[in-house]
Amino acid sequence: LAKTTQPISMDSYEGQEVNITCSHNNIATNDYITWYQQFPSQGPRFIIQGYKTKVTNEVASLFIPADRKSSTLSLPRVSLSDTAVYYCLFNTGTASKLTFGTGTRLQVTL
Amino acid sequence: EAGVAQSPRYKIIEKRQSVAFWCNPISGHATLYWYQQILGQGPKLLIQFQNNGVVDDSQLPKDRFSAERLKGVDSTLKIQPAKLEDSAVYLCASSLIFAGGRTGANVLTFGAGSRLTVL
Repeated sequence: LAKTTQPISMDSYEGQEVNITCSHNNIATNDYITWYQQFPSQGPRFIIQGYKTKVTNEVASLFIPADRKSSTLSLPRVSLSDTAVYYCLFNTGTASKLTFGTGTRLQVTL
Repeated sequence: EAGVAQSPRYKIIEKRQSVAFWCNPISGHATLYWYQQILGQGPKLLIQFQNNGVVDDSQLPKDRFSAERLKGVDSTLKIQPAKLEDSAVYLCASSLIFAGGRTGANVLTFGAGSRLTVL
């Protein structure tokens, strides 16, 4: 079963760039890496997904090195509304468990 | 498009009672998941359906939990009898397809969850 490791918490000021790294040493060939955001009293929400190199969308960038043993979610110019828990998760092509880690609690302040 | 609907949003019961949660996934989504999220932890997968068949239920406590997905659309998760440690948020999610290979990258859409408190 693939497992992920993330920092438990991070603090940032509004307007800064935040980088959250997830380690996944035993990622399988078919695994994609997906990041979700969760606010209190809500279900997780998809942010970004990638397989290798760099992916960018309107809210974030995802950097995946060649060995794919880690990935970094980059949030540019965070605001107070980005305060949430961020999870990295494997999507696999086999019937494995889609398991979330404990996530990273990001606190953004003025 | 409408999101994943769940009900009830909140439920308080006493231990040894039973409870049922309902989920209506996004239209056309073949795969449905039930997760349990205990306060301060990440969601834990309980069961996964592909259409109306079970793909994975290895982490479902089958002595007290049961789930079904009638006609491959709506799903119900039941707990009977409930224990104190079942207090959690029960999240339902759906995705288009559980595809294989490098092109298989399913994205989950979650409902708001059903918060269960067992006294």
